[in-house]
Amino acid sequence: GAVVSQHPSRVICKSGTSVKIECRSLDFQATTMFWYRQFPKQSLMLMATSNEGSKATYEQGVEKDKFLINHASLTLSTLTVTSAHPEDSSFYICSARAGDYEQYFGPGTRLTVT
Amino acid sequence: GQQLNQSPQSMFIQEGEDVSMNCTSSSIFNTWLWYKQDPGEGPVLLIALYKAGELTSNGRLTAQFGITRKDSFLNISASIPSDVGIYFCAGQKASGTYKYIFGTGTRLKVLA
Repeated sequence: GAVVSQHPSRVICKSGTSVKIECRSLDFQATTMFWYRQFPKQSLMLMATSNEGSKATYEQGVEKDKFLINHASLTLSTLTVTSAHPEDSSFYICSARAGDYEQYFGPGTRLTVT
Repeated sequence: GQQLNQSPQSMFIQEGEDVSMNCTSSSIFNTWLWYKQDPGEGPVLLIALYKAGELTSNGRLTAQFGITRKDSFLNISASIPSDVGIYFCAGQKASGTYKYIFGTGTRLKVLA
């Protein structure tokens, strides 16, 4: 149980284009999902909290117009990186909250912007 | 953003040895969790701790929620090569946001 998937696992895009990443909870419903960013050899940094049916809450310093989050159902949240630049290249990981405390993570999406 | 301090930052150990790592904070947390991340993968939950002083085991792993609620410890007994990876602690405050704050990570390398 508590399986979270992400798609795609890897994506390469050109600078200036937009990329959408999907996060799905496969065997449970998640009213809250989280999006993280991880640079090489660093820890996970929370970007935003995604709540089903409402606007996402962004962490300080994260541009909400650049990282668009949509939590359209209890099993799906999407992150769209708009007008991507090379500095947006990173490992993006989502998690879904199961219960009050535990988060289960997806396998991550490696984004490379050329 | 805020991060929790983990130590050691990295360690090499011999197969069969026991491993200890800890996570400290200047503020109180109500829940502590330990995750393991393999290269190119998402973190996998190892142990969750919910009460100060709690000691919980999961196979060869044992974790404790510090009495002060500002720290947590993870021990791995009789390490094996597949224990290689990065171990992260995460703390959750009782603010209702369900957000985690992650530790800086401990990179473990096991020598066969």
